[in-house]
Amino acid sequence: DQQVKQNSPSLSVQEGRISILNCDYTNSMFDYFLWYKKYPAEGPTFLISISSIKDKNEDGRFTVFLNKSAKHLSLHIVPSQPGDSAVYFCAASAQTGANNLFFGTGTRLTVIP
Amino acid sequence: DVKVTQSSRYLVKRTGEKVFLECVQDMDHENMFWYRQDPGLGLRLIYFSYDVKMKEKGDIPEGYSVSREKKERFSLILESASTNQTSMYLCASRAGTENQPQHFGDGTRLSIL
Repeated sequence: DQQVKQNSPSLSVQEGRISILNCDYTNSMFDYFLWYKKYPAEGPTFLISISSIKDKNEDGRFTVFLNKSAKHLSLHIVPSQPGDSAVYFCAASAQTGANNLFFGTGTRLTVIP
Repeated sequence: DVKVTQSSRYLVKRTGEKVFLECVQDMDHENMFWYRQDPGLGLRLIYFSYDVKMKEKGDIPEGYSVSREKKERFSLILESASTNQTSMYLCASRAGTENQPQHFGDGTRLSIL
């Protein structure tokens, strides 16, 4: 049973515009959330994370928003650049137990020049 | 920067062979993980280890075993390879403190013929 869901397999955005990637989760014990970016033939690269005590975290062009009541998080990329074209994975973990990450199935972002 | 190195980028083996995938990390991380990535399924956890000689099953451990004799090295073993184990295998490591991301290697593309 998929505990972390990314319902959009793909997204295309014009260069310079905002990219919004969405993620939903079902396990209310999750309290740490991450986004990874993956290029072909490379491993996932950590991008940004957020703890459940916050509702927003920014790092340069990347902002992650967390809505705990809706069990929803999103990644905003502003402005989008062609180099941002990759597959983005959302992941979540609970601090109790083994801290394992549960991944979504990924969203392929294409930024059109 | 964290460096997670997987010994092979591409590997081709035959059905029934015993296959070893090796992973080394250079950051003295306590936790190490093995995932497989398949289209439409995201990353699924096979096994993880939180200390030397300690291991725990993930979501899909069947047909696999692991070994962690030294802190920096985590090996994934396919006891008798089968065609349904053709996949991308990803190793990751993480520090033992709270709210730390996992860092991934570049993956091993394994084909079982």
